Amino acid sequence: NAGVTQTPKFQVLKTGQSMTLQCAQDMNHEYMSWYRQDPGMGLRLIHYSVGAGITDQGEVPNGYNVSRSTTEDFPLRLLSAAPSQTSVYFCASRGPGQAFSYEQYFGPGTRLTVT
Amino acid sequence: AQSVTQLDSQVPVFEEAPVELRCNYSSSVSVYLFWYVQYPNQGLQLLLKYLSGSTLVKGINGFEAEFNKSQTSFHLRKPSVHISDTAEYFCAVSDRNTGNQFYFGTGTSLTVIP
Repeated sequence: NAGVTQTPKFQVLKTGQSMTLQCAQDMNHEYMSWYRQDPGMGLRLIHYSVGAGITDQGEVPNGYNVSRSTTEDFPLRLLSAAPSQTSVYFCASRGPGQAFSYEQYFGPGTRLTVT
Repeated sequence: AQSVTQLDSQVPVFEEAPVELRCNYSSSVSVYLFWYVQYPNQGLQLLLKYLSGSTLVKGINGFEAEFNKSQTSFHLRKPSVHISDTAEYFCAVSDRNTGNQFYFGTGTSLTVIP
């Protein structure tokens, strides 16, 4: 199993550009989530999904969109990037599913810089 | 919603000395508790978890943590640290009833000094 994968690893955007951060998991987990990590602030939840077709907002959803058309994929879209969105983004998943888990499994992260 | 407090943002400790990283959470409702470690430029890796049963849980790399319900704490300990333990450590809580949302502390940066 590859676990949770994220692409790209690094990205530089100009203010106003849009992009999609990709996240995929091969554990058939129902729950997936996106976090951003900023110095001194820990991990803050952006959006999460409890299954295909179901998404909800977390603590800091503004400026981000998500959709969940399949169990495996949970992309995060930045519609119009702003410097305040410069951060490291982590995707995570947890069971039930192929490998039931109480804990979350994290991807390696995407480091995004908005200039 | 839960809140998670990690009381120390930075903890320097000499190699082979013991260390305790503190974590307190806000709610007394039944919870699952986790500690994650993040090495530089990497994702988060689970160190240990408390789901039920014995309040002392052991994890990877010689770490252990004790759940104290009355004090709503879940402090992480290691009796003798190594240089390789230098990393960021995050405490996390999820509600037993909903189970979906995780609440993270702001992290503790552990630096092991040779």
